[in-house]
Amino acid sequence: QKEVEQDPGPLSVPEGAIVSLNCTYSNSAFQYFMWYRQYSRKGPELLMYTYSSGNKEDGRFTAQVDKSSKYISLFIRDSQPSDSATYLCAMNYGGSQGNLIFGKGTKLSVKP
Amino acid sequence: DTGVSQDPRHKITKRGQNVTFRCDPISEHNRLYWYRQTLGQGPEFLTYFQNEAQLEKSRLLSDRFSAERPKGSFSTLEIQRTEQGDSAMYLCASSSRIEAFFGQGTRLTVV
Repeated sequence: QKEVEQDPGPLSVPEGAIVSLNCTYSNSAFQYFMWYRQYSRKGPELLMYTYSSGNKEDGRFTAQVDKSSKYISLFIRDSQPSDSATYLCAMNYGGSQGNLIFGKGTKLSVKP
Repeated sequence: DTGVSQDPRHKITKRGQNVTFRCDPISEHNRLYWYRQTLGQGPEFLTYFQNEAQLEKSRLLSDRFSAERPKGSFSTLEIQRTEQGDSAMYLCASSSRIEAFFGQGTRLTVV
């Protein structure tokens, strides 16, 4: 079992839909949870990060962490064609090192 | 541009040749990471520097791979005697706290 599991999709939605992206993880020691967006042949771009359980909102994006279920989510409201990309969840143990463990990524396509 | 810069963006090399990639992190960031990403996968951690000290190496980093960060500024990743399995995107990231910011990557193709 991989430490971080993420459904690779692809996921196709119409413009304006609410998108839900999810990851599960196995190691309860993870402290920080990130979401990155990656366009084709580009580097990952940090969208949001959260510490421990709870919600965080930034514009059309909401990140949720449920540590009791080892489950994290990213919601995108009013999705736009420009949101079409691969979304990667990532997490780390905190502390002084901070290397990230990534999911495989979910490929999202938002159709006009 | 004050982001993470990587050079070259693309590299095609023959099997058995040596290649070197460069990463220039965000200037005030003391942490620097190298990752490798293959098609359909998330990035996988290779190695980590805090300032000039290499503090962590993944088991993915075979003895053909070496990384340096002289003077705690830019970093280089060298792959010796390249193999076709080394074909991947090599990503550099830097951070000062929790958030890690990635460069655009170097795409390596070994033919």
